Amino acid sequence: DAKTTQPPSMDCAEGRAANLPCNHSTISGNEYVYWYRQIHSQGPQYIIHGLKNNETNEMASLIITEDRKSSTLILPHATLRDTAVYYCIVRVSTGRRALTFGSGTRLQVQP
Amino acid sequence: DAGVIQSPRHEVTEMGQEVTLRCKPISGHDYLFWYRQTMMRGLELLIYFNNNVPIDDSGMPEDRFSAKMPNASFSTLKIQPSEPRDSAVYFCASTRSTGEEKLFFGSGTQLSVL
Repeated sequence: DAKTTQPPSMDCAEGRAANLPCNHSTISGNEYVYWYRQIHSQGPQYIIHGLKNNETNEMASLIITEDRKSSTLILPHATLRDTAVYYCIVRVSTGRRALTFGSGTRLQVQP
Repeated sequence: DAGVIQSPRHEVTEMGQEVTLRCKPISGHDYLFWYRQTMMRGLELLIYFNNNVPIDDSGMPEDRFSAKMPNASFSTLKIQPSEPRDSAVYFCASTRSTGEEKLFFGSGTQLSVL
């Protein structure tokens, strides 16, 4: 699986959009980008994933650059409950199902 | 859907004792994973099963750790004998081989070995 690079921490004001970047310059054509988050004392929670196109669901939007070497997770209106560690993970969609977690980005939403 | 259920939620034991952590995956899921999380090493994959068969146990730290999945609805992670360095949060997760590829995690077991 391709390696990812994320900033260790970010702050965001409540009600504003939170934009979390991820670099994955060695991504290959059959690898997806996944985002999970872990709220304190809980297990990681799936947010969204994508291959090439931008994706949106009820939790967030995922913007993947055209060359696929980086992506951004967008929380459109951050709330205090979005304070968590956000993990960007790249992996193929078939075969081994396990995920390898890096250190992630600790997002602090400020009131 | 009850989600992935882990027990106990907290476990405090003394060095040298046997510890057994339990996991019930989501019904219909055929993959089960055990992860360990510490401040120093983050989230580490220990072992995972597919259709109750261990597929990759390369993350299991040493012979003191063992995991079993006797049926599709139950798995155990055993540490014998336990050591203080085993103190961590242990997460179980499950997913299925068809449909969307999301891992569903349990709430974890906080293990403290004194």
